[in-house]
Amino acid sequence: NAGVTQTPKFRILKIGQSMTLQCTQDMNHNYMYWYRQDPGMGLKLIYYSVGAGITDKGEVPNGYNVSRSTTEDFPLRLELAAPSQTSVYFCASSYPRTGLIYGYTFGSGTRLTVV
Amino acid sequence: AQTVTQSQPEMSVQEAETVTLSCTYDTSESNYYLFWYKQPPSRQMILVIRQEAYKQQNATENRFSVNFQKAAKSFSLKISDSQLGDTAMYFCAFIKNTGNQFYFGTGTSLTVIP
Repeated sequence: NAGVTQTPKFRILKIGQSMTLQCTQDMNHNYMYWYRQDPGMGLKLIYYSVGAGITDKGEVPNGYNVSRSTTEDFPLRLELAAPSQTSVYFCASSYPRTGLIYGYTFGSGTRLTVV
Repeated sequence: AQTVTQSQPEMSVQEAETVTLSCTYDTSESNYYLFWYKQPPSRQMILVIRQEAYKQQNATENRFSVNFQKAAKSFSLKISDSQLGDTAMYFCAFIKNTGNQFYFGTGTSLTVIP
């Protein structure tokens, strides 16, 4: 029962460095999402994808890039890391429409600190 | 735009007692869904309960129930017979019937006291 797997679980970056947060799911879900959770705040949508080759911006896309070359994988790229990107990042997935019934399946998150 | 407000940053309850977490939302949509998610210290997001806006009957899942007041745009979560394992952050979330995006509140940190 792998579900949604995120790597790494923790990471410290220096300002200006780049990194990719990995997300993979084994449920054949079409829809995948990246959220960030800041302290004392709810989750905010960064990017989402409704299928391989299709991505779209969410509420807070600045400073991030995504790609979706396969159904399983949805990596999130941070270019030129800034302290404002210190957050916990969650990847999630769902089938079309079933997210309305069962919610999303979430990964366990990546805690990123930019110093 | 949709907004979700949770006005109680922290709450506590004695084990076996009942607690109610509040949530209000703002939307111009008529057809939508509301969820409560639980986030324990493990950070895993766990679906607790959901409500379809077109249903008047309040959803119930074992010890968890909601009070959905559509006109007031209120969606509170009641936890009965609280257990130590209920200690977690609870998020209220909204999604349009035609939407791809959940809108989350800021969360309520619930502590169950032995």
